Amino acid sequence: YELTQPPSVSVSPGQTARITCSGDALPNQYAYWYQQKPGQAPVMVIYKDSERPSGIPERFSGSNSGTTVTLTISGVQAEDEADYYCQSADTSGTYGVFGGGTKLTVL
Amino acid sequence: QVQLEESGPGLVKPSETLSLTCTVSGGSVSTDNHYWSWVRQPPGKGLEWIGYIFYGGSTSYNPSLKSRVTISVDTSKNQFSLRLRSVIAADTAVYYCARVGGEFRDGYNLWGQGTLVTVSS
Repeated sequence: YELTQPPSVSVSPGQTARITCSGDALPNQYAYWYQQKPGQAPVMVIYKDSERPSGIPERFSGSNSGTTVTLTISGVQAEDEADYYCQSADTSGTYGVFGGGTKLTVL
Repeated sequence: QVQLEESGPGLVKPSETLSLTCTVSGGSVSTDNHYWSWVRQPPGKGLEWIGYIFYGGSTSYNPSLKSRVTISVDTSKNQFSLRLRSVIAADTAVYYCARVGGEFRDGYNLWGQGTLVTVSS
């Protein structure tokens, strides 16, 4: 089972970045999003498709439209430049899976 | 505040067994609300799910690694461990332990800092 993400997304500061993640089981399994900066462990920025953990800025949001989930970063800041990974499970919920990751570049 | 810390050898020879331990501090591994997982990341590449364990002992493993991997838990030491047998160079990666669940359902809400394991003779 795989989750498919675009390898890269580029936006200018203040613009909106959208990162997609596609998978056949996403209509039935929650999706999660992580931000990873160089040399650091990943940090969860969205859970259960659209919930935001405490301490995560409101500019981070998530949505689910069937087999595709989207991480949206509104008003992108330079500090948002990082790799972003989606994560979910297979249809049975037995196995975990991560997407291949998307490098967000802030121009 | 719960923290996770990985420990183990940073260098393993090909065909040998990689063994890592994750120590849970500030909380208990014996919780009904969470499960405990290992994730790895080869240098310059993405995250790969290895598997997880509940404190009662039930496990799930990545099918691509299942024949070589064992995750176990030691409630007396408040630790959980990873063993990966017959390692090859492609197993070189940063290995993370993580806590999953609670209010975050299947989300990885707490991570260790990661430890680099190199497979080389």
